[in-house]
Amino acid sequence: DAKTTQPNSMESNEEEPVHLPCNHSTISGTDYIHWYRQLPSQGPEYVIHGLTSNVNNRMASLAIAEDRKSSTLILHRATLRDAAVYYCILRDTGAGSYQLTFGKGTKLSVIP
Amino acid sequence: GAGVSQSPRYKVAKRGQDVALRCDPISGHVSLFWYQQALGQGPEFLTYFQNEAQLDKSGLPSDRFFAERPEGSVSTLKIQRTQQEDSAVYLCASRLRWGFTDTQYFGPGTRLTVL
Repeated sequence: DAKTTQPNSMESNEEEPVHLPCNHSTISGTDYIHWYRQLPSQGPEYVIHGLTSNVNNRMASLAIAEDRKSSTLILHRATLRDAAVYYCILRDTGAGSYQLTFGKGTKLSVIP
Repeated sequence: GAGVSQSPRYKVAKRGQDVALRCDPISGHVSLFWYQQALGQGPEFLTYFQNEAQLDKSGLPSDRFFAERPEGSVSTLKIQRTQQEDSAVYLCASRLRWGFTDTQYFGPGTRLTVL
């Protein structure tokens, strides 16, 4: 899987929007962009994924750059429960790519 | 419904002991993964099962690590002759079916401490 680059940490005030960036300049045309997050003392949980178009779900929005070399996870109103490590992961649609390859992610702190 | 469960949640072992970590995936999920997460790092892939078949064990760090899923549901990760560097959180994940966009559902992990 291609490599991603994320800031080590970010801070946000509660109830404000949060934009978590991810750079993936070597992304291939068959790579999906996945986001997972890991709350303290828990396993990772799925947030959202996309290929080319922006995506929205109940948890977040995913904005994908036109050239697909970067993407942004958007939390519309951060809550204390959103404090977690957020991982941006590329998943190749090619055969044999079963597992998730995690980096270090971005640790998001939410300030009350 | 019930999610992925793992037991025990915490395990302390003396160096040289054998340990067995259990994973109960979501019922009906075909795929099962084991990951290892060192402190401050992201999870790293260990091994993958599709039903009872172990299709990929390329991430197992040594031949002391062994995983099985004999009936295609519950899985056990066994570590023989534990070493201090084995101390980590071991995460299990399951997925409904094969597919690159299918969500993986993770358990809470087992924190292994080797003294």
